[in-house]
Amino acid sequence: GEKVEQHESTLSVREGDSAVINCTYTDTASSYFPWYKQEAGKSLHFVIDIRSNVDRKQSQRLTVLLDKKAKRFSLHITATQPEDSAIYFCAASRGSNNRIFFGDGTQLVVKP
Amino acid sequence: ETAVFQTPNYHVTQVGNEVSFNCKQTLGHDTMYWYKQDSKKLLKIMFSYNNKQLIVNETVPRRFSPQSSDKAHLNLRIKSVEPEDSAVYLCASSSGPAGQNTLYFGAGTRLSVL
Repeated sequence: GEKVEQHESTLSVREGDSAVINCTYTDTASSYFPWYKQEAGKSLHFVIDIRSNVDRKQSQRLTVLLDKKAKRFSLHITATQPEDSAIYFCAASRGSNNRIFFGDGTQLVVKP
Repeated sequence: ETAVFQTPNYHVTQVGNEVSFNCKQTLGHDTMYWYKQDSKKLLKIMFSYNNKQLIVNETVPRRFSPQSSDKAHLNLRIKSVEPEDSAVYLCASSSGPAGQNTLYFGAGTRLSVL
């Protein structure tokens, strides 16, 4: 089955800098790639997603890049703020059913 | 704004007891899920229900059983809890297949088994 790997378990940046979280996947049929954020003591919520028909998607300070050949996708956060500190989960799925596979999460710490 | 409600928030119990967790969503979604998040924050899908029908049943121990009365409710019962069941149980819903649609998560139920 699909395996999603997040390469950074922890990422620390200074406020105002950019942060990049990288994920790889194994199933070439995967076509939907969402990202979820979990702040300390809270549950997960959706932040952004990308589908395989595009290779880039931007929403305010968040950009997702998808490289289908390398089976890699990444979340870029610009002008980081303390409230960006959280665990970020990437995920992948084939898009046709209820099977979605999560990475193990990346703890992003934004230092003032 | 919260639209997936879980009760209780916390539950402490002893090995061998039975526990039940409740989940209700007010989004009108057809599909609901139970996820387990362990102490390392790893997420594992346990069950998925589409309009009261079980459609995904991952290899979880038989002491876990989901129960759904209608598409807005999905409960989880654990018979005879074990120490390894200590975790946060997250309920979620989506308007369609998780493979295409956003998941909306509840706040979670933290279970501690003594």
